Amino acid sequence: NAGVTQTPKFRVLKTGQSMTLLCAQDMNHEYMYWYRQDPGMGLRLIHYSVGEGTTAKGEVPDGYNVSRLKKQNFLLGLESAAPSQTSVYFCASSYKQAYGYTFGSGTRLTVV
Amino acid sequence: DQQVKQNSPSLSVQEGRISILNCDYTNSMFDYFLWYKKYPAEGPTFLISISSIKDKNEDGRFTVFLNKSAKHLSLHIVPSQPGDSAVYFCAASTREKLTFGTGTRLTIIP
Repeated sequence: NAGVTQTPKFRVLKTGQSMTLLCAQDMNHEYMYWYRQDPGMGLRLIHYSVGEGTTAKGEVPDGYNVSRLKKQNFLLGLESAAPSQTSVYFCASSYKQAYGYTFGSGTRLTVV
Repeated sequence: DQQVKQNSPSLSVQEGRISILNCDYTNSMFDYFLWYKKYPAEGPTFLISISSIKDKNEDGRFTVFLNKSAKHLSLHIVPSQPGDSAVYFCAASTREKLTFGTGTRLTIIP
């Protein structure tokens, strides 16, 4: 039982490059979330989805886009990476909104 | 605007003693509170939660206390064990989203 799987686990980007982070869950959860973790800032919500085909902005959405074309997948895109987007990104899913999250193991992204 | 605050970035406790982690919040609309534990290179995992209609919830060595009038919650771990060394995040829910604190790194000293 995989739970929440994030790919890739590590990535180094040059400023201005684009990339997509993939989150996949096998628990049939309706709700999915993308967070970023930075030192001294905790976990901050980037975007979230309350079901297939839906997305919504969180606290820090600027510079990111998301898509939820399939219920099990939630993609996070960086159109033009900036050094300020260097962070650890966590995806989470839940069966009930804002409750009982299951997190992936994270993606460490460095933008140089 | 940090609605959920953990004012102690780190805490060291002797093995076998009590660990107390604290969390303060400002939004009175929060109605559910959770604690997550995070080991290095892993995602956070759920530890224990409490509804705003309760003031205490216990699960084995872990107890969470909620003081609504003070907008304060705490996590007690008794007795502390080496495997408890991790970063602990408190989180608060408005039923729409979870807001996380900044985390406290707990180190258990053998």
